[in-house]
Amino acid sequence: KQEVTQIPAALSVPEGENLVLNCSFTDSAIYNLQWFRQDPGKGLTSLLLIQSSQREQTSGRLNASLDKSSGRSTLYIAASQPGDSATYLCAVILGGSARQLTFGSGTQLTVLP
Amino acid sequence: DVKVTQSSRYLVKRTGEKVFLECVQDMDHENMFWYRQDPGLGLRLIYFSYDVKMKEKGDIPEGYSVSREKKERFSLILESASTNQTSMYLCASSLPATSGQGGNQPQHFGDGTRLSIL
Repeated sequence: KQEVTQIPAALSVPEGENLVLNCSFTDSAIYNLQWFRQDPGKGLTSLLLIQSSQREQTSGRLNASLDKSSGRSTLYIAASQPGDSATYLCAVILGGSARQLTFGSGTQLTVLP
Repeated sequence: DVKVTQSSRYLVKRTGEKVFLECVQDMDHENMFWYRQDPGLGLRLIYFSYDVKMKEKGDIPEGYSVSREKKERFSLILESASTNQTSMYLCASSLPATSGQGGNQPQHFGDGTRLSIL
């Protein structure tokens, strides 16, 4: 069964720092990997989706990479801002199902002004 | 922008009641999903639907059923609510997978319904 792990569970950084969030998965036969952001008491906002044939995706200050062979993905946030404070979740879809996401437990990020 | 709307942000019901959670999306998405989110357990898939009147069980379907009579609406039903169903419920929708290797569409989520069963 696919397991998705995110380390660290919580991270606190000063404003302006570049940071990396980590996601690992046990079954490398994934279809794609998606990064989400969740603000307290809210739903999930899709940030980036990386297909299995891709190695990275970029959106503004965010860059997500994917290494299927090692079962890892990273989310890089450049020049962090207090507004980036949220919980970041990664999720994978296994090849074949093309529908069902398996989520990690998230990294709670706090960016201090 | 995709809009996924869940009918209630907060809901309080009693044990044994039949509870309906409604979700509507406005982007003509074929796929719709219901998750619950609990501290320490993360998000878990309850049911999903890839077409009108079609449904498939997710990881934790026990105690729940769903209804998809129209493409834009996906309802989650707690047949007889129990206290262990107190949770945050999240609905999502997506387009079907595109052709080609690795092609797929992101899931878009609603704001969630925080359900308390007393």
